[in-house]
Amino acid sequence: EDKVVQSPLSLVVHEGDTVTLNCSYEVTNFRSLLWYKQEKKAPTFLFMLTSSGIEKKSGRLSSILDKKELFSILNITATQTGDSAVYLCAVDSGGGADGLTFGKGTHLIIQP
Amino acid sequence: ETGVTQSPTHLIKTRGQQVTLRCSSQSGHNTVSWYQQALGQGPQFIFQYYREEENGRGNFPPRFSGLQFPNYSSELNVNALELDDSALYLCASSLVRTETQYFGPGTRLLVL
Repeated sequence: EDKVVQSPLSLVVHEGDTVTLNCSYEVTNFRSLLWYKQEKKAPTFLFMLTSSGIEKKSGRLSSILDKKELFSILNITATQTGDSAVYLCAVDSGGGADGLTFGKGTHLIIQP
Repeated sequence: ETGVTQSPTHLIKTRGQQVTLRCSSQSGHNTVSWYQQALGQGPQFIFQYYREEENGRGNFPPRFSGLQFPNYSSELNVNALELDDSALYLCASSLVRTETQYFGPGTRLLVL
C-alpha cells in the first residue's frame, strides 16, 4: 500500500523564521510528488516535482526531491503570518487512476 | 480562467439518508477526482472520472458512486449515510488524467 509520511505534524514559529517541512514516501510506481497549501478548505497547488535534485522555487518557498532516499522538503524563508496553513504532500503513483496519496499534513502556525 | 467550484458549501444530513454533491471543473479540464478529508487527516482518494467514465477508484464502498457529464462537471452520490461519512469532500480537476490536480473549496458534510 502506498504511504506518505509528513513531519512534523505541527510547528509553531515566529515571523521571520525559516522552516523546513519533510515528506517521505513509499509507493509502488512513482510519477510525481506535489505540495499543496490548505488554509481553510481548498488545497492550493504549490509545486510538482518529478526529477531528483532539481529545486523548484516560488518567491520565499522552495522544494526539492530526492528519489533515491524517497523524500522531499519544502522550505519557507522569512515566514509571514499569511504562511500559517496546513501543508500537504501528495504522491501520484498511478497515472491518475489511483488518485493522489496524501500525507496527514503539517500544521504550520506563524506567530507575529 | 474559471476555477473549480463545488456546491453546496455545507450540508447536514441524518444517518441513512442519501446526498448528492456537485463539482464544476476548471475550464478546459476533462478529468475530475473526488477526495474525502476527515478532520485532521489528509484527503483520501474516492474515485476519478475521465471523459464520463470511471477511471480509477480508492478503497470506498459501492454506496459511494459518481457521474461525469458531457461538460465535464461531476456529481458524487453517497447512499445510506453513516456518521463516519462526516467530512470535507473535495473535488479536483486536471487537464488530462496525468496532470496537476486543482482543488475546489469543498463541501462540508455533517451526518447526525
